[in-house]
This record gives sequence, structure tokens and C-alpha cells, in this order.
Amino acid sequence: SQTIHQWPATLVQPVGSPLSLECTVEGTSNPNLYWYRQAAGRGLQLLFYSVGIGQISSEVPQNLSASRPQDRQFILSSKKLLLSDSGFYLCAWKLWAFGAMNTEAFFGQGTRLTVV
Amino acid sequence: TQLLEQSPQFLSIQEGENLTVYCNSSSVFSSLQWYRQEPGEGPVLLVTVVTGGEVKKLKRLTFQFGDARKDSSLHITAAQPGDTGLYLCAGLTNSGYALNFGKGTSLLVTP
Repeated sequence: SQTIHQWPATLVQPVGSPLSLECTVEGTSNPNLYWYRQAAGRGLQLLFYSVGIGQISSEVPQNLSASRPQDRQFILSSKKLLLSDSGFYLCAWKLWAFGAMNTEAFFGQGTRLTVV
Repeated sequence: TQLLEQSPQFLSIQEGENLTVYCNSSSVFSSLQWYRQEPGEGPVLLVTVVTGGEVKKLKRLTFQFGDARKDSSLHITAAQPGDTGLYLCAGLTNSGYALNFGKGTSLLVTP
């Protein structure tokens, strides 16, 4: 069965410090991978998505970057965190194929980031 | 950007009441999905609607996709405290790769 691992679960970082959040997927190949950020109790903002190794699409200009060094690994990074980067970060994976795009997105447990 | 507007933003009802939440857009979607999220967890898929006018039922939950495929609704009959959570609708972007979410409806059902 497929599983998605996201860590750490919580993180408190000072302003100006770097960030690295990692997400790995098991049990599937060639997934589409996504990073979302969620403000408290509100909807998900799509940050980045990737349809393959080394391919990153950015949805919102910001202080963050993403990388996909391996097929099932997705990393969210920042060189210098801002207060506004605080939030709940969710990684997700989804299978995609022509004629079969309406598949379910599976989410990790999330990382609660507080920038102080 | 294909925006999804959800209403109401917050809903607090008593156990046994019925409710409907809405997901609207000015864009046409090939499909819409509904997810439910509990605090501190990732969203979990409830249903995918694909055909305009489609109605799907999941126990006490009824989902409808608008005829023009621009909107969807979720109706809950006889709500229970276990229905409490954040209900999110989502649709694929024009690229077909990315999944955009609405801002959600936060539902609280009290005993």
C-alpha cells in the first residue's frame, strides 16, 4: 500500500534561519507531488507541484523553493524564513495519467511551522 | 487562476439539523472533489464528481455537481458531532496537473 511520510511534525524557527521540510512517498511510482500551505482553519494554498524528477512548478511567488531530487522525494526549502512563512505545510501525492486525471490526492500529516 | 469560492465560511449547528455548503467558480471544471479535514491532519477525499448534474450519496452526505460544471454542493442530513471538520472543495487547474482548493467551510456540530 502507498504511504506518505512528512517530517518534522512541528518546527519552531527564528526569523532569518533556513528551512528544509522533507516528504517521501512509498508504494507508488511517478506520482505528482505537491506542497500546500494552510493558514489556521482555512483552505490550502498550492505552493509548488512536480510531475517528475527535477521538474518544479511554482504557483505563488514567495520566499520558498522546492526540489525533487528523486522520484518519490519532495523537499521544501527557504534560505531565510520570514514571520509570514508560519503555517501548516502539507505534502501530497496524486497519480496522473491521460484519461485518468481525477484521482485522489493523498496527504501527509503536515508540519506546523512557527517562525519567531 | 481558477478560483473556488466556498460558503459559508463557518457553520455551527446542533446535532440532527440539516445543512448545505456550496462551492462556486466562474470557471468550468472537468471534475470537482470534496475533502474533509480534521484539526492537525491532512485532508481526506470524500467524493469526486465528474458529470454535470451528477449526484452522489455517501451515507448522510449528498454531493451534487452543477449542470454547467462550475459549482457543487454538499448536503448533510441529520448532522452528527462526528461530521465536525473543515470541508474543502478542489478542482484541477487548466494544466490538469495541479489541484486547487477553496478556502473551506468549517463545520461544528454540537450534541
